[in-house]
Amino acid sequence: KNQVEQSPQSLIILEGKNCTLQCNYTVSPFSNLRWYKQDTGRGPVSLTIMTFSENTKSNGRYTATLDADTKQSSLHITASQLSDSASYICVVSDRGSTLGRLYFGRGTQLTVWP
Amino acid sequence: EADIYQTPRYLVIGTGKKITLECSQTMGHDKMYWYQQDPGMELHLIHYSYGVNSTEKGDLSSESTVSRIRTEHFPLTLESARPSHTSQYLCASSVGGNHRNEQYFGPGTRLTVT
Repeated sequence: KNQVEQSPQSLIILEGKNCTLQCNYTVSPFSNLRWYKQDTGRGPVSLTIMTFSENTKSNGRYTATLDADTKQSSLHITASQLSDSASYICVVSDRGSTLGRLYFGRGTQLTVWP
Repeated sequence: EADIYQTPRYLVIGTGKKITLECSQTMGHDKMYWYQQDPGMELHLIHYSYGVNSTEKGDLSSESTVSRIRTEHFPLTLESARPSHTSQYLCASSVGGNHRNEQYFGPGTRLTVT
């Protein structure tokens, strides 16, 4: 069964600190993995996308890593800001789907305190 | 930011009422999707469309229906709302339907049925 598991479920950090969010998946055959940021009451917005051959991708203070062998990904946030408070969702797409079906994790709810 | 819009953003309605959630995009995308998301849970695909006059049911069974008469418009209708329909509904679109193409999400409609 294709699944995406994220940890931790929630996280509180102080402004300026770094943090790392984890994603494990069983989706096969694997196509790509995206990290989305979803602000409260808004739709998800893509932060990074990685295919099978990529093991790291950066977008400003966000750096995502991918280990396709162990089927794990992480999202590292550097020098956190109050605006980073949001849910971070790991989304995996499989190559076998002509639709481009996406498998969503439940997200990690990050809260940044001043 | 993606040019995909949803109205209303919030809706509180009584049981038994008929409702239509609107979704429109100005990006010329062929593929459109409706997702349902409960708090702290993953997004579930309830409907999708490959293009005009094409609609399919998603992974999660839903009593809602959709139509696709115009490329840019993908409304979702509930003929008789029930409290179990209380949820957040997210619309998305993509330029293509395969696993490589990013889905762009609207801001969502938070529906509460009393």
